[in-house]
Amino acid sequence: GQNIDQPTEMTATEGAIVQINCTYQTSGFNGLFWYQQHAGEAPTFLSYNVLDGLEEKGRFSSFLSRSKGYSYLLLKELQMKDSASYLCAVRVKGRGGGYQKVTFGIGTKLQVIP
Amino acid sequence: DGGITQSPKYLFRKEGQNVTLSCEQNLNHDAMYWYRQDPGQGLRLIYYSQIVNDFQKGDIAEGYSVSREKKESFPLTVTSAQKNPTAFYLCASYGIPEAFFGQGTRLTVV
Repeated sequence: GQNIDQPTEMTATEGAIVQINCTYQTSGFNGLFWYQQHAGEAPTFLSYNVLDGLEEKGRFSSFLSRSKGYSYLLLKELQMKDSASYLCAVRVKGRGGGYQKVTFGIGTKLQVIP
Repeated sequence: DGGITQSPKYLFRKEGQNVTLSCEQNLNHDAMYWYRQDPGQGLRLIYYSQIVNDFQKGDIAEGYSVSREKKESFPLTVTSAQKNPTAFYLCASYGIPEAFFGQGTRLTVV
């Protein structure tokens, strides 16, 4: 199976930068997703990393180190609307390389305060 | 507009009844997944499918069934054997690299 760990809660100040970490232990790793989920809504896709390094998309960046089983999501210039849960999900190769299972961590609830 | 659609958004059923949740996508994605989310918890994988007419059990498949007769459609049936069916059900489809969720179906069994 996959062990995916994230902090359960974080608090940060409007305008600041916050880093949300995700560690995983798995075999057959084939990519890591980050999603944002506002309360009562479906998750929305933020990023996907399959190779080591940093991917930047506007205020959001995601980093992956496959050798360390580690990823982080970096949110810059925090806004109040960024208050949400941030979900880390790992894709692994399945039987015969065809099936690819995607499982989620518990999510990190971020509260942005004025 | 391409997207993934779940219906209905809210569903109420009596205990002991089977109920089928709809999930349709027009993104031409091969992979489709069903998850369940309980209050304050993460998403747990129920079933997933990579191709038509084939699917795999996830981590909590007991009491659920699926079919994948068409690439666009992956309906989930919550059977009377599911002991605690009240939850938020989410369907997702995965391309490379994009991945999208439907709006979810909130099922309440009374």
